[in-house]
Amino acid sequence: SQTIHQWPATLVQPVGSPLSLECTVEGTSNPNLYWYRQAAGRGLQLLFYSVGIGQISSEVPQNLSASRPQDRQFILSSKKLLLSDSGFYLCAWSVEGASYEQYFGPGTRLTVT
Amino acid sequence: KNQVEQSPQSLIILEGKNCTLQCNYTVSPFSNLRWYKQDTGRGPVSLTIMTFSENTKSNGRYTATLDADTKQSSLHITASQLSDSASYICVVSPRGSTLGRLYFGRGTQLTVWP
Repeated sequence: SQTIHQWPATLVQPVGSPLSLECTVEGTSNPNLYWYRQAAGRGLQLLFYSVGIGQISSEVPQNLSASRPQDRQFILSSKKLLLSDSGFYLCAWSVEGASYEQYFGPGTRLTVT
Repeated sequence: KNQVEQSPQSLIILEGKNCTLQCNYTVSPFSNLRWYKQDTGRGPVSLTIMTFSENTKSNGRYTATLDADTKQSSLHITASQLSDSASYICVVSPRGSTLGRLYFGRGTQLTVWP
């Protein structure tokens, strides 16, 4: 069966510090991978998606970046965090198919102070 | 403009009661519509998924309906339980998307009181 992991689960970082969030998927090959951010009281906002190793597409301009060094690994990074980067970050995966069901990870709660 | 609107924003009901959550969308054409349940501090979990040709889908005490003509969907929860307290998110997938691109509503926060 497929599982998706995210870490860390929670993170408190000062403004201007770097960020690295990791997401890994098990039990599937060549998945589409997604990073979402969910601010308090807001819907999920798609940040990045990837259809393969090294292939990253950005949905919104920001000071975040993403990388996919391995087939089932997706990393969200920042060189200098802003207060507005606080939120709940979700990684998701899907495979091509009729429904394109997306399966979400447990999330990372990021607080920038 | 948000293409998926949900109402109400929040809802409080007593345990054992029924409730109905609403979703209006403008995404067109669309492939399917899903309802997700998101517990606080957790990732969303899919409850139901309906294609444009289906008008109802059940998953235990959860029943989703879809009217593709009026672009409305509802999620009905019967005999609510304390564990139903969560955010319920309506998600629409546009037809022809090769990346599983989804449009998310902001969710309805449901609280079930004992």
